[in-house]
Amino acid sequence: DTGVSQNPRHKITKRGQNVTFRCDPISEHNRLYWYRQTLGQGPEFLTYFQNEAQLEKSRLLSDRFSAERPKGSFSTLEIQRTEQGDSAMYLCASSLAGRFVGYGYTFGSGTRLTVV
Amino acid sequence: RKEVEQDPGPFNVPEGATVAFNCTYSNSASQSFFWYRQDCRKEPKLLMSVYSSGNEDGRFTAQLNRASQYISLLIRDSKLSDSATYLCVVTHTGGFKTIFGAGTRLFVKA
Repeated sequence: DTGVSQNPRHKITKRGQNVTFRCDPISEHNRLYWYRQTLGQGPEFLTYFQNEAQLEKSRLLSDRFSAERPKGSFSTLEIQRTEQGDSAMYLCASSLAGRFVGYGYTFGSGTRLTVV
Repeated sequence: RKEVEQDPGPFNVPEGATVAFNCTYSNSASQSFFWYRQDCRKEPKLLMSVYSSGNEDGRFTAQLNRASQYISLLIRDSKLSDSATYLCVVTHTGGFKTIFGAGTRLFVKA
């Protein structure tokens, strides 16, 4: 399978616990993105990496959220001290970098987080 | 006001109908434009890019009007399998700042 892979597919956690999600992008894609999507809304940008460098973070990414892409390959998104408002689908996407042109993304199947 | 706004929907159309979705964006620095399709509880998938000259892919036609900051998607001869949410997507210069609209739901009925 050469698509974007996300694990786990589903995560149920108690409020206050920490959770970590993993994303494996398409191997030749140097850009990796994290989005959050709640019911009835489009995906909201959280952060993106070009290779191992985290180049932009949304204001949605509070201090409880951290993302890494240590070797420019897979990425992890950690949420500390989860809150019920963190319940959402967390989507990872990857793309090629284009200097002037935005390439379409390939999304993973997402990790659905439920905080109880 | 949201940076990317779409028709709220839902659109309920019979098979064979032609349906059009509209999308407006507010940031004139927007560089690239796309339509994505998202099935229920699935990830978004790229449907097509949108160019100023307009582009067509089978039954789907996308148009971009930069002066009016307006994007459209036309679906001809709707199929049951076209039922999904259609997301308008705008990317800023450099291709890394991407904004998704909230999506328009389409239901095609037999």
